[in-house]
Order: sequence, then C-alpha cells, then structure tokens
Amino acid sequence: KAGVTQTPRYLIKTRGQQVTLSCSPISGHRSVSWYQQTPGQGLQFLFEYFSETQRNKGNFPGRFSGRQFSNSRSEMNVSTLELGDSALYLCASRLAEFFEQFFGPGTRLTVL
Amino acid sequence: ILNVEQSPQSLHVQEGDSTNFTCSFPSSNFYALHWYRWETAKSPEALFVMTLNGDEKKKGRISATLNTKEGYSYLYIKGSQPEDSATYLCASLVYSGGGADGLTFGKGTHLIIQP
Repeated sequence: KAGVTQTPRYLIKTRGQQVTLSCSPISGHRSVSWYQQTPGQGLQFLFEYFSETQRNKGNFPGRFSGRQFSNSRSEMNVSTLELGDSALYLCASRLAEFFEQFFGPGTRLTVL
Repeated sequence: ILNVEQSPQSLHVQEGDSTNFTCSFPSSNFYALHWYRWETAKSPEALFVMTLNGDEKKKGRISATLNTKEGYSYLYIKGSQPEDSATYLCASLVYSGGGADGLTFGKGTHLIIQP
C-alpha cells in the first residue's frame, strides 16, 4: 500500500507570494491533517479535513487555509508569505479518530 | 497542564542500557495519547495510540504506560540499540464539543544511543 505523498518536497518563495502544497493520503484514509514544524515550536497542528470538511483548526492566522477533494487529496495554501512561514510542512492521514496518523515526507518551505 | 510537555529534552544512553522518558498532558477532556518516533531525514512513525487509563502497550523492546487521571505517560526502551536513536514525540488528543480536536504535540525527547 502506498504511503502518504507530498509535493513538492522543497520550495523557495519570496515574501508576499503565495504557495500551495499538496498531500495524497493513504488509500482509504479520509482524514488528512496538516502540521507545521519549526525548530523552536516543534510540530504544531494547522487543520484537519475529513470527507471534504474542515473538522478542526489550530491557532494559525487566516493566511493559512486548506481544502480536501472528493478523492481525499488535500491542499494547503499560504497567502502573503512571511519570513516566519519558513518551516517543514507535514501532512498525515488516518483511518479514523482513534487510529495512528501516517505522515508524509514533508514539504520544506523557505521564504526569502 | 495546558500544553503537552516532555522530559528530558535530550538523553544520551549507552548501548545496551534501558531508558525511559515522560510525557505530561492535560487530563481534562482526555481522548487519546499518541507516541511517535521521528528519525532524522524520515517521517514520524507511530508507535502507540493509548486511550484507557492504566493502558500498557508494547512493541518489541519499546513499551508505554498511561495514567489519564494524573495526565502522564511513560515510554520505556529496554536494551537500547543504535537504531533507537531518534526524537520521540508524544501527542495529546482532547475532546471538545462534537469530537476530538487536533493532536497537540510535545517538543520531543531527543535520544542518542552511544555505542
């Protein structure tokens, strides 16, 4: 069974630009969560989508948004990029609420 | 405790020794506690998902216990091997309103096994 895939793996953008990251979950998993990892803050929850609906949202500004498609693939968008958005963005999928999450390899975003 | 806290932050252990570390989490509205292992240049990998007070789980040389009343979990590694070197993350899932919130992760315990 294929794992969680994320594209692109690396991205360099400049301040003020916007970016879209993509995540394909494990087949059959309808829940996709997004996390931001920075050296000082650790892994922080951005949002979770389940069956095309945002189920939970972390404490991030409205510049961070996402969506999920009918095939469970998810995209995350960050508008008006700031230097502090430089981070590793991980997505994870799971089968149901009490199950473990399976993480993708991440997208490393650098904002210059 | 409002956040998930892990201690120690880092740990150096001799190969063959056993070790353990702690995760403290909010005990109110508890839903589940996750443990993950994150090796350098890889994705976090799930070790355990624990839901019941008194739960004990084991996978090979690694085991974990859970106390939901006081809000802590211990992870034990018996007979540490170099391949156990990684960052170990715990994450708390709490219940609010219609279901569980997103996972709140601790900052991890960075374990280095010295040959």
